[in-house]
Amino acid sequence: EIVLTQSPGTLSLSPGERATLSCRASQSLTSTSLAWYQQKPGQAPRLLIYGASNRATGIPDRFSGSGSGTDFTLTISRLEPEDFAVYYCQQYGSSLRTFGQGTEVEIK
Amino acid sequence: QVQLVESGGGLVNPGGSLRLSCAASGFTFSDYYMTWIRQAPGRGLEWVSYISGSSSSTNYADSVKGRFTISRDNAKNSLYLQMNSLRAEDTAVYYCARWAAGGYFPYWGQGTLVTVSS
Repeated sequence: EIVLTQSPGTLSLSPGERATLSCRASQSLTSTSLAWYQQKPGQAPRLLIYGASNRATGIPDRFSGSGSGTDFTLTISRLEPEDFAVYYCQQYGSSLRTFGQGTEVEIK
Repeated sequence: QVQLVESGGGLVNPGGSLRLSCAASGFTFSDYYMTWIRQAPGRGLEWVSYISGSSSSTNYADSVKGRFTISRDNAKNSLYLQMNSLRAEDTAVYYCARWAAGGYFPYWGQGTLVTVSS
């Protein structure tokens, strides 16, 4: 099983600031098989990024993903009030899909 | 548009069984892999199981293997999760989700809560 480790656990930032979230895989992922999701309280997760760097339909361009191999990053260029949420990475490079434990982006 | 609606959650005793359903609409159901993902209260997401469009391929997380069975009825556009020998640690909101190519999840249902407690 591929273990995904997200850091930091919590990120305290102000609106307008840049957020950088990390996801590290225990094994190298094939074909940049990594996705990012956003989840707000009481809601299902929403797909943001797939293939490590491709924005899903309707996702604003302030969200960007990068990385390959074992190290991946989600960047939110300028935080909007609606961006404060929990973010999860997910790998689909192995037959057993796994999620990271999440990073909470909270208002400072 | 794609819609996924889960049902069947509830309170069950440890050791008991429950069957979850997911009604799909807005796409050709048989063309897509489907999956179950769960989230314990206050915790992160955990992938549970997937099934191919033809039901020929299934897979399970180690935590549920041998206790849960995923199935589908393409004529009814429905996905199922039969959960047996339930434990307190199976308490979670269970989401059904549709795969995109490769195995990420662009579409999710709203979830159904399963509580395992005496």
